[in-house]
Amino acid sequence: QITLKESGPTLVKPTQTLTLTCTFSGFSLSTSEVGVAWIRQPPGKALEWLALIYWNDEKRYSPSLKSRLTITKDTSRDQVVLTMTNMGPVDTATYYCAHRIVGGTFHWFDPWGQGTLVTVSS
Amino acid sequence: DIQMTQSPSSLSASVGDRVTITCRASQSIGTYLNWYQQKAGRAPKLLIYAASSLQNGVPSNFSGGGSGTDFTLTITSLQLEDFATYYCQQSYSAPDTFGQGTKLEI
Repeated sequence: QITLKESGPTLVKPTQTLTLTCTFSGFSLSTSEVGVAWIRQPPGKALEWLALIYWNDEKRYSPSLKSRLTITKDTSRDQVVLTMTNMGPVDTATYYCAHRIVGGTFHWFDPWGQGTLVTVSS
Repeated sequence: DIQMTQSPSSLSASVGDRVTITCRASQSIGTYLNWYQQKAGRAPKLLIYAASSLQNGVPSNFSGGGSGTDFTLTITSLQLEDFATYYCQQSYSAPDTFGQGTKLEI
């Protein structure tokens, strides 16, 4: 059974850097084709894909946030870490990590972690 | 980025009804389209991948269709537990993008 769980601060101040950790089990990030993504959802709004890291350490970022995001993995600890710099109130959201599944040339996200709400406020 | 537009934004229905939610892509995406269900306060759950493949464990009253730019999620014989918000997601071109959601209400 695959599970993921996000952890990190619930409150950050404007201009601070956010660091979130996704701890997972049931799969290995050293297995070919495996990936873990970060996706966020502002309160009452839609989902926004942020970043993705592959088993081979390739990384992909949302073009609109690329300058602020860094995604890394620690295979030995089964963790993926997302950092986002220069946080502002508009970054207030629930942040999810999700397991990326590949089927041929298709991919989808399943399952997702429970999410962690991050509020940006002074 | 590929824009995904869902319609309607909200929908009222009754138990036992059949409903269809539409998702339109701003360009052709083949069948690179996934559907998720999200209940209040919960994480999204995968329902359909590759436009029409039902995820293991998802009830058969859910079905997906379409290709190119127009896609549908159909729920037949609505159950109480089906009232939730539904999102489409394209995986054709990076970055992956989601629709704005369709809230299905009783």
